[in-house]
Amino acid sequence: DAKTTQPPSMDCAEGRAANLPCNHSTISGNEYVYWYRQIHSQGPQYIIHGLKNNETNEMASLIITEDRKSSTLILPHATLRDTAVYYCIVSGYALNFGKGTSLLVTP
Amino acid sequence: GAVVSQHPSRVICKSGTSVKIECRSLDFQATTMFWYRQFPKQSLMLMATSNEGSKATYEQGVEKDKFLINHASLTLSTLTVTSAHPEDSSFYICSAEGAGGSRNTIYFGEGSWLTVV
Repeated sequence: DAKTTQPPSMDCAEGRAANLPCNHSTISGNEYVYWYRQIHSQGPQYIIHGLKNNETNEMASLIITEDRKSSTLILPHATLRDTAVYYCIVSGYALNFGKGTSLLVTP
Repeated sequence: GAVVSQHPSRVICKSGTSVKIECRSLDFQATTMFWYRQFPKQSLMLMATSNEGSKATYEQGVEKDKFLINHASLTLSTLTVTSAHPEDSSFYICSAEGAGGSRNTIYFGEGSWLTVV
């Protein structure tokens, strides 16, 4: 699986958009980009995934660059409950987790 | 989203005993299930991949005789920690991928806290 690079931590004000970047320059053609988040002491929660095209669901939007070497997860209106560790994973099969980005949403 | 349930959510066992953790997909059939372990303040580490009806594939460094995985049906996989030691105390998490042709979403269980005393 391709390796991903994420900033270790980010802050975001409540109500603002949270934009979480992820670099995956060694991604191969059949690998998907997945985003999960983990709130302390819970199992990871699925957010969104995509292959080439941008994706949007009720939780977030995923923007993948044309060369697929990086992506951005967008939480349009962050709330305090969005405080969590966010994992960007590039995978063709099993999901291997890196260290993720610890997002803190502040009042 | 789909629901994956783990049981028990917390278990305490004595050193030297075995403990079984169950992982169930409640509303879909899971051809593949994955088991992870997570130590405090660390990321999830993939332990093994199990496909229904076949032997599990273990990641490098994971002892298959210590962590027994059974995936006997499309909705149930079990992880048995045999001869548990205090260093096996950890958060164990399973995930499941549904049956189907294209790449499916993988959903995670709530996790099971194991404490070996």
